Amino acid sequence: NAGVTQTPKFQVLKTGQSMTLQCAQDMNHNSMYWYRQDPGMGLRLIYYSASEGTTDKGEVPNGYNVSRLNKREFSLRLESAAPSQTSVYFCASSDFSVTDTQYFGPGTRLTVL
Amino acid sequence: DQQVKQNSPSLSVQEGRISILNCDYTNSMFDYFLWYKKYPAEGPTFLISISSIKDKNEDGRFTVFLNKSAKHLSLHIVPSQPGDSAVYFCAASPDTGTASKLTFGTGTRLQVTL
Repeated sequence: NAGVTQTPKFQVLKTGQSMTLQCAQDMNHNSMYWYRQDPGMGLRLIYYSASEGTTDKGEVPNGYNVSRLNKREFSLRLESAAPSQTSVYFCASSDFSVTDTQYFGPGTRLTVL
Repeated sequence: DQQVKQNSPSLSVQEGRISILNCDYTNSMFDYFLWYKKYPAEGPTFLISISSIKDKNEDGRFTVFLNKSAKHLSLHIVPSQPGDSAVYFCAASPDTGTASKLTFGTGTRLQVTL
């Protein structure tokens, strides 16, 4: 039982490049989330998926797209990376029928030059 | 506008003493509150939570207090241990017990010294 896994762990991009951050959970949770953490800002919600087949914007969605591929996987795509997207990205999952908290992955550290 | 605030970026406490971490919120719709602990290079891990119908919740060395009228919560760690050294985030949700759409504070770095 790995919980929430994220790939890659580290990534360096040049401005304008695109990439997809992958997230998978093996807890059969319905809901999944993407956050970014910046110094002095805490964690901010980018997008979330309340259930398979649905996605909604969070607090800071601009510059990102998401795909809920199936119940297990939720990916975050940067179409044209900008230096302002340099951050640590965390994926999380939850399911209110079995847990009253969100479980987080280990994070992806992204640097955009 | 920061709806959940942790005004102390850092806190240093001696081993064995009490650590008190504070959190204030402005949105009266928040109904459920959580504390997460985060070590470097790891994701946040859940520590303890409290619903707005309670004013206190305990779990071992950790106790969370909620003052709804003041829109304030605090996390007490007694006794503090070196392994408690981490960043602590408070988070709030408008949905009781579901932990959906969490709003996080900026975090407080706790250092427990020997």
